[in-house]
Amino acid sequence: AQSVTQPDIHITVSEGASLELRCNYSYGATPYLFWYVQSPGQGLQLLLKYFSGDTLVQGIKGFEAEFKRSQSSFNLRKPSVHWSDAAEYFCAVGAGGTGTASKLTFGTGTRLQVTL
Amino acid sequence: DAGITQSPRHKVTETGTPVTLRCHQTENHRYMYWYRQDPGHGLRLIHYSYGVKDTDKGEVSDGYSVSRSKTEDFLLTLESATSSQTSVYFCAISEITGTGAGEQYFGPGTRLTVT
Repeated sequence: AQSVTQPDIHITVSEGASLELRCNYSYGATPYLFWYVQSPGQGLQLLLKYFSGDTLVQGIKGFEAEFKRSQSSFNLRKPSVHWSDAAEYFCAVGAGGTGTASKLTFGTGTRLQVTL
Repeated sequence: DAGITQSPRHKVTETGTPVTLRCHQTENHRYMYWYRQDPGHGLRLIHYSYGVKDTDKGEVSDGYSVSRSKTEDFLLTLESATSSQTSVYFCAISEITGTGAGEQYFGPGTRLTVT
């Protein structure tokens, strides 16, 4: 069974500082990997995804993530954080397959606080 | 933004009563999902649908049933609500590409409180 671990429950960074959120997954085959962001009281918004190809993927809002198969990781990064980035971030792993639903397994989330 | 609406957005109900939550999409996507979100658990899949009248269970399906009579609507029913079903419920949709993968798009959520 697939699983996702986000080891950091809460992270605080200063505005303008760099950010890295950790995500480790467990999956037997090549995974489909996603990062979502959730602002308070809102639904989840897709930040970026990895299906195949280049292991460094670019997303919206200046975020990027790197897939490292040897470390089973898909860490999210941003070079300079803005106060509006304060939110909860979820990593997810998907089991694809034509004819079946692409079910996702989510991590428990990392809450990002940004100080001014 | 993907065209997904959920109704109601907020509901308070009493233990033992049936409750139905509705998810409506305008994207004509084949796959639809219901999740619940609880602190410390992330999102957990309740049920999903891979076509009209085709549904299957997720990891936390006990006490829930679903129906999908039209492509655009996916209903989640709590047959007899319990306090443990107090949660925020999210609907999601996806379409599978030729690679077999597909990202999911989420609705705004329904906050359900069972008293």
